[in-house]
Amino acid sequence: NAGVMQNPRHLVRRRGQEARLRCSPMKGHSHVYWYRQLPEEGLKFMVYLQKENIIDESGMPKERFSAEFPKEGPSILRIQQVVRGDSAAYFCASSLSTGGLMNTEAFFGQGTRLTVV
Amino acid sequence: AQSVTQLDSHVSVSEGTPVLLRCNYSSSYSPSLFWYVQHPNKGLQLLLKYTSAATLVKGINGFEAEFKKSETSFHLTKPSAHMSDAAEYFCVVSDNNQGGKLIFGQGTELSVKP
Repeated sequence: NAGVMQNPRHLVRRRGQEARLRCSPMKGHSHVYWYRQLPEEGLKFMVYLQKENIIDESGMPKERFSAEFPKEGPSILRIQQVVRGDSAAYFCASSLSTGGLMNTEAFFGQGTRLTVV
Repeated sequence: AQSVTQLDSHVSVSEGTPVLLRCNYSSSYSPSLFWYVQHPNKGLQLLLKYTSAATLVKGINGFEAEFKKSETSFHLTKPSAHMSDAAEYFCVVSDNNQGGKLIFGQGTELSVKP
């Protein structure tokens, strides 16, 4: 059973371009979380998704950022018109749905390191 | 609202000496608490977790943590540091009322001197 897979591992974009970050959760996991880690800081929650639904997007910037988790395929974090301040490591985590148990372990991917030049 | 505070941004120990990384939490609910480790340019690995069972939690690589409700603390310890323990450590609380959303501390960088 492969772990949480994120790609690409490294992504370089020029200012104004779009960045697409992908996350394939562990097999059987239907909860996906995205976090952002700025240099010298801890991880900050961005968004929590279940299949085809956004459950909590309280950590998402109001503009340019969007996330989806379709019925088929990976979860996508999309950043439009990137700026230098978007440079960070973006981590995805997944957890198992267990019918309401909220404190199941989240497994993290290796992260995507976005550099905006 | 839930939060965690890691009291030291950097801790330096000598190899073979004990490690203590301090964490205090704030929670309105019965919290789930975790310690994660991040090696340079790597993802996060779970060291241990507390989910309202035994208050002394044993994790991987010889680490353990004790949940103290009266002190709202969840400090991470290890009796004897190894060079390979040098990394960034994060204390994390789970927002149990919101689907397991994790709230991270700022992190403590552990250095281990030979």
